[in-house]
Amino acid sequence: DADVTQTPRNRITKTGKRIMLECSQTKGHDRMYWYRQDPGLGLRLIYYSFDVKDINKGEISDGYSVSRQAQAKFSLSLESAIPNQTALYFCATQEGILPYEQYFGPGTRLTVT
Amino acid sequence: AQSVTQPDIHITVSEGASLELRCNYSYGATPYLFWYVQSPGQGLQLLLKYFSGDTLVQGIKGFEAEFKRSQSSFNLRKPSVHWSDAAEYFCAVRKRNRDDKIIFGKGTRLHILP
Repeated sequence: DADVTQTPRNRITKTGKRIMLECSQTKGHDRMYWYRQDPGLGLRLIYYSFDVKDINKGEISDGYSVSRQAQAKFSLSLESAIPNQTALYFCATQEGILPYEQYFGPGTRLTVT
Repeated sequence: AQSVTQPDIHITVSEGASLELRCNYSYGATPYLFWYVQSPGQGLQLLLKYFSGDTLVQGIKGFEAEFKRSQSSFNLRKPSVHWSDAAEYFCAVRKRNRDDKIIFGKGTRLHILP
């Protein structure tokens, strides 16, 4: 079984709808991250969490919110989806020992029409 | 500010040929360095990492990378590519601080000719 799972894997939604992407991990890592990937732009950080009570904005947090329900679960919400949020979204966890490697989920492909 | 440059957006090589993907970083001190691979429809998988010691690092799938401090580079190499190596490759750096973030390059897409 995968260490980092994401649901759904694919989602098509309409402009203005609220949508939640979920991430679960079995690696026991405290730190979790949400990225979006757009062609030619690489990965950009949306939000990250050092533990259940510590949530931080990344470089492109506008239009997104997150919830860390437990050590193992980190959800990303789009309160009112817009077409330029169409992208591939990745969740990642980070180990607590050098060199602090990140482990990625399989991604969620989101299309906003 | 930290930055990572992968100068080649696309690279095409023939199966069996050697490969080198370039990565340069901008940072005042030696960071931790990573190469990830993303196969179609998949998440990112770590190929190799450097954080200290020998500057030639061996990774999975026959890949290696060499850290050159004087050139601020961490180029990825493979002596003979296979069709299954077709994917997108990301170089990433992070400061030597657990609280800091990983910065990713924009990726190089590798195409393999039969």
